[in-house]
Amino acid sequence: EAGVTQFPSHSVIEKGQTVTLRCDPISGHDNLYWYRRVMGKEIKFLLHFVKESKQDESGMPNNRFLAERTGGTYSTLKVQPAELEDSGVYFCASSPGTYYEQYFGPGTRLTVT
Amino acid sequence: GQQLNQSPQSMFIQEGEDVSMNCTSSSIFNTWLWYKQDPGEGPVLLIALYKAGELTSNGRLTAQFGTTRKDSFLNISASIPSDVGIYFCAGTYAGNNRKLIWGLGTSLAVNP
Repeated sequence: EAGVTQFPSHSVIEKGQTVTLRCDPISGHDNLYWYRRVMGKEIKFLLHFVKESKQDESGMPNNRFLAERTGGTYSTLKVQPAELEDSGVYFCASSPGTYYEQYFGPGTRLTVT
Repeated sequence: GQQLNQSPQSMFIQEGEDVSMNCTSSSIFNTWLWYKQDPGEGPVLLIALYKAGELTSNGRLTAQFGTTRKDSFLNISASIPSDVGIYFCAGTYAGNNRKLIWGLGTSLAVNP
């Protein structure tokens, strides 16, 4: 069974540009989560999808971040326009319907210069 | 917001030694999860705990859900070089849906 995959693995962009991160969850997992780790800080929750619906987006930093999960399969996280403080590692995780155990992808390291 | 205090921050041990690390919260948690992260990879789930007092093993790893529900412990017995990495505790509490709250991690180095 394939694990959670994320693309790209690294992205370096300039302040003001747009970046879109993609996450493909484990097949059949209804729950999809985005997290972010900023250097020196703890991993922080961004949002949670159940199928294609946003269950909880309380961790989204501001309206420059837009997450979508079309058709309840893969998800994208767009940052527009990117700011320096958006740099960090963005993780995606997925879990089956009733479980709390979350399985993580390798992350996308975003650097905003 | 809710925070988890994880200690120690780092450990440097000899191969074959046992390791203990712990995580505490200021409020009651209903789930505790322990993850390990290798460089360039995402966190990998090691052990999940769901009940106060629960003790669960995964090979040489043993984790416990504290009886106060405000802490959790991870022990690694007879460490080997591949145990090197960052160990994270994470958990959920009532009312926060399924979003995981994370500790800062314990960086483990093993000297062969």
